[in-house]
Amino acid sequence: QKEVEQNSGPLSVPEGAIASLNCTYSDRGSQSFFWYRQYSGKSPELIMFIYSNGDKEDGRFTAQLNKASQYVSLLIRDSQPSDSATYLCAVTNAGNMLTFGGGTRLMVKP
Amino acid sequence: DVKVTQSSRYLVKRTGEKVFLECVQDMDHENMFWYRQDPGLGLRLIYFSYDVKMKEKGDIPEGYSVSREKKERFSLILESASTNQTSMYLCASRLPGVLGGYGYTFGSGTRLTVV
Repeated sequence: QKEVEQNSGPLSVPEGAIASLNCTYSDRGSQSFFWYRQYSGKSPELIMFIYSNGDKEDGRFTAQLNKASQYVSLLIRDSQPSDSATYLCAVTNAGNMLTFGGGTRLMVKP
Repeated sequence: DVKVTQSSRYLVKRTGEKVFLECVQDMDHENMFWYRQDPGLGLRLIYFSYDVKMKEKGDIPEGYSVSREKKERFSLILESASTNQTSMYLCASRLPGVLGGYGYTFGSGTRLTVV
């Protein structure tokens, strides 16, 4: 079992819809959770991080964390074609290093 | 603004060459990392460094070495480049934060092709 799992996609949503990206992790000791966005041919950029159960909102982005279910998600409201990218979930391990999921490719269609 | 600079965006090298990939950060970060990213395999950690002159092997260190003589610079060395080292190489840095609250900042990447 991979330590951080994401559906590779592509996840296709129409413009203006809510995109829901999901991530599960295996290490119950993980404490911090990050979402990165990576455009094709570019490097990952940090969108959000969360470490408390519940929701954290930043503009059109909401990160959701459920430690009991070992589940973290990213919601993108009012999706735009410019949101089309690969979204990487990352989780801290015991050494406080980040373990990355394989990423979910999101396509927002006009 | 946080900045991690990788010296080359694209590189083409020949098999057997010694290759140096340079990474410089201007944030006084202690931790620095080298990853490679390949389709279907995701990000894989090659080496990391907690501080100057310190280095630790990551998940795939074979065929690579690193150097961290100054805090701001972390170099990845391919001792004898091979075609299976063709990849996107990503450098990252961060402060060691509470709860890992400080995520990694990545450089723009170096796409290396070994022919």
